[in-house]
Amino acid sequence: DTEVTQTPKHLVMGMTNKKSLKCEQHMGHRAMYWYKQKAKKPPELMFVYSYEKLSINESVPSRFSPECPNSSLLNLHLHALQPEDSALYLCASSQDPFLEDTQYFGPGTRLTVL
Amino acid sequence: AQTVTQSQPEMSVQEAETVTLSCTYDTSENNYYLFWYKQPPSRQMILVIRQEAYKQQNATENRFSVNFQKAAKSFSLKISDSQLGDTAMYFCAFINRDDKIIFGKGTRLHILP
Repeated sequence: DTEVTQTPKHLVMGMTNKKSLKCEQHMGHRAMYWYKQKAKKPPELMFVYSYEKLSINESVPSRFSPECPNSSLLNLHLHALQPEDSALYLCASSQDPFLEDTQYFGPGTRLTVL
Repeated sequence: AQTVTQSQPEMSVQEAETVTLSCTYDTSENNYYLFWYKQPPSRQMILVIRQEAYKQQNATENRFSVNFQKAAKSFSLKISDSQLGDTAMYFCAFINRDDKIIFGKGTRLHILP
């Protein structure tokens, strides 16, 4: 099973809302990732969570905050987003973050900020 | 800096034809992994094929195969007997030692009936 699941599939929110995106994998992978993808562009890495350590792409604004409740779950909390944050948010996982390992992607959450 | 270049923004081929998507990359590392991902209109990223740099043999996965030229830093994807369901954006990707994946800008492939 190489499945990464993401919920919700679609999310529409206002700029004052607080919402969360969820990502789950049951492959025993030790690293999980959040990516942001604008239309017709490659995904951009936002966060890496591996071995209980969070790595942040410094260009990501603080209105995005990741949380890893356990090794199978990775949430992305959203607060006070801007319309330009509208994008596809992809979650991925890999077996071992210290090897050049395959990243398996979820189906994505399509986020629209009004 | 590590980069991945896909020089073909868009391609179209007839169904059942063979098509080759090009990818070049730049790295000073010796051991690394290369990937091709497919992203259909549903936007999900799907792994197509993977190549370990230390392996000389080109990876093959059913109708998909790669031509890996390590010295030239080239990693092209060949799709044989193309099908309508192959219509998608294809991303070439490289994973560095920090496990950061670097994507090319993508090639939009249209399979025409």
